[in-house]
Amino acid sequence: NAGVTQTPKFQVLKTGQSMTLQCAQDMNHNSMYWYRQDPGMGLRLIYYSASEGTTDKGEVPNGYNVSRLNKREFSLRLESAAPSQTSVYFCASSEYYNPNRGYTFGSGTRLTVV
Amino acid sequence: GQQVMQIPQYQHVQEGEDFTTYCNSSTTLSNIQWYKQRPGGHPVFLIQLVKSGEVKKQKRLTFQFGEAKKNSSLHITATQTTDVGTYFCAGVNAGNNRKLIWGLGTSLAVNP
Repeated sequence: NAGVTQTPKFQVLKTGQSMTLQCAQDMNHNSMYWYRQDPGMGLRLIYYSASEGTTDKGEVPNGYNVSRLNKREFSLRLESAAPSQTSVYFCASSEYYNPNRGYTFGSGTRLTVV
Repeated sequence: GQQVMQIPQYQHVQEGEDFTTYCNSSTTLSNIQWYKQRPGGHPVFLIQLVKSGEVKKQKRLTFQFGEAKKNSSLHITATQTTDVGTYFCAGVNAGNNRKLIWGLGTSLAVNP
């Protein structure tokens, strides 16, 4: 099925551990995004990539790094996990010039840092 | 910075009642999008409004974009239990780099 695939779906980390969240889309979208969602905080943009080869910070980038590996893949890395990074992480993609399709989201990664 | 305020935060209705959620932006928007997120799920795109005063319908859902392009609403007629979830609006500031500015969402609960 076409869409955005995120792995893993669930993860428990100890404080200080590192991990990479993977995201891939097969819709040939130019733009990709990483969000975190916390209760009462809505969706907050961590990093985005407007096109292959570019990445930019969103509103909450501290503690994260990203890599736009190619047009399909956009990964999010936590170098030293902290309890404050316990959250649900969503990857999304969009086509810049098609206003009728909006963002397509992956099913999310539920991360707990203990 | 630019904000999109969404009200109410929560709404609890009896099945068959109507429901409305409102979004207000501090600045003029070039367009606004609406998403639905089921409990435990991910946001799913519903619609985009671009024109001033635009009204679009999807079955029992009616979406409006204000004349000044600073506010929007989603109205659901005769709610059903399948409407349960959180509804988000997200606007794009006229002239910015097309990143969405998200409202905090309205969580809808429907009693059968």
